[in-house]
Amino acid sequence: GDSVTQMEGPVTLSEEAFLTINCTYTATGYPSLFWYVQYPGEGLQLLLKATKADDKGSNKGFEATYRKETTSFHLEKGSVQVSDSAVYFCALNTDKLIFGTGTRLQVFP
Amino acid sequence: GAVVSQHPSWVICKSGTSVKIECRSLDFQATTMFWYRQFPKQSLMLMATSNEGSKATYEQGVEKDKFLINHASLTLSTLTVTSAHPEDSSFYICSASRGRLYNSPLHFGNGTRLTVT
Repeated sequence: GDSVTQMEGPVTLSEEAFLTINCTYTATGYPSLFWYVQYPGEGLQLLLKATKADDKGSNKGFEATYRKETTSFHLEKGSVQVSDSAVYFCALNTDKLIFGTGTRLQVFP
Repeated sequence: GAVVSQHPSWVICKSGTSVKIECRSLDFQATTMFWYRQFPKQSLMLMATSNEGSKATYEQGVEKDKFLINHASLTLSTLTVTSAHPEDSSFYICSASRGRLYNSPLHFGNGTRLTVT
């Protein structure tokens, strides 16, 4: 069945460091791909999305490119901030939304 | 933007009792709502899909008689955990979709922390 695999956390970085959170997927058909973020004490929010191969989703300095050849949707940010500390979820959507296990990011000043 | 309200945000109950969790879409009609369970190591598991006016579709391994879902209106879905046991303690999250097609991002509630003693 469809599934999402993302790197385990926590990921611990200093402010202004480069971030990559890996995400790969397995799906039949042509899924849409998403990154959701859960800030401490808050609910899940959509961070970015891509609906077809080679699309790049971007928001708040985060980017992810839909790579069909490697079935990946890695999340990147060039310079993280303390306020980016949260749990990040990769997800795919065919007829239902399937989440990865989440990756906790901790950014220290 | 769209808002989904989930209530209560936390609940403590005794083993054997039932607990109802409400999920409301506040500014749009949600023909489809989803219920997830978030495990301690952060994995989100889809429990069921509920469509307004019809029976919920449960994922494999989810007991439909234990987790009762009712989607009686376009703005309200409820999840009732019946005869709760300590292993049901978890974080339950609902989400809502504007339409029956699933290629749109979902709007999430803030979740309900259930603790069964």
